[in-house]
Amino acid sequence: AQSVTQLDSQVPVFEEAPVELRCNYSSSVSVYLFWYVQYPNQGLQLLLKYLSGSTLVKSINGFEAEFNKSQTSFHLRKPSVHISDTAEYFCAVIGSSNTGKLIFGQGTTLQVKP
Amino acid sequence: EAGVTQFPSHSVIEKGQTVTLRCDPISGHDNLYWYRRVMGKEIKFLLHFVKESKQDESGMPNNRFLAERTGGTYSTLKVQPAELEDSGVYFCASSQGGVQPIAKNIQYFGAGTRLSVL
Repeated sequence: AQSVTQLDSQVPVFEEAPVELRCNYSSSVSVYLFWYVQYPNQGLQLLLKYLSGSTLVKSINGFEAEFNKSQTSFHLRKPSVHISDTAEYFCAVIGSSNTGKLIFGQGTTLQVKP
Repeated sequence: EAGVTQFPSHSVIEKGQTVTLRCDPISGHDNLYWYRRVMGKEIKFLLHFVKESKQDESGMPNNRFLAERTGGTYSTLKVQPAELEDSGVYFCASSQGGVQPIAKNIQYFGAGTRLSVL
């Protein structure tokens, strides 16, 4: 079985400041890792994913995450945030066996202040 | 191409009533998932369809919940009778079926149905 922990429920930050949203997971098997984002009054959108290959993955809007197997982490970072990044961010894992069940963390609300 | 569509966006019912939620997946997606987020908690898996068959229903809370996917297209999730603890946001997701293992097929989510049981 897998589990995901997002250590911060809320992260307030000023515009143009860097941010890191933390995600740790536990699993007895290999996993695939995801970050989803939910903007206010919208559905979940895939932000980025790690399936294999390079451990550093990037999104089109400047976010990046690094898969660290030894620390079982998949932290999300952005060097300079915008007001429009205000949203709830969810880290999720799937065990690499033949299941489609996503296991989510509790979510982190990123509040970008002007 | 249309995304995953869920109806209604919000439903308010009284305890003991019946509610049916609907999900239209992305056209051609064999896999359909239901998830639920109870207020203040994480999003939790309910069940997974492959076409019209239930692949995994390990997350269904109890027998008051019934999911169907007749014909392998849209799906419904019925709650009968609804209880207060059923309140939350119900998400539907779909993914293609062509990549193995199945976990590699990216899931696309709908906007969710917010269910309020009073």
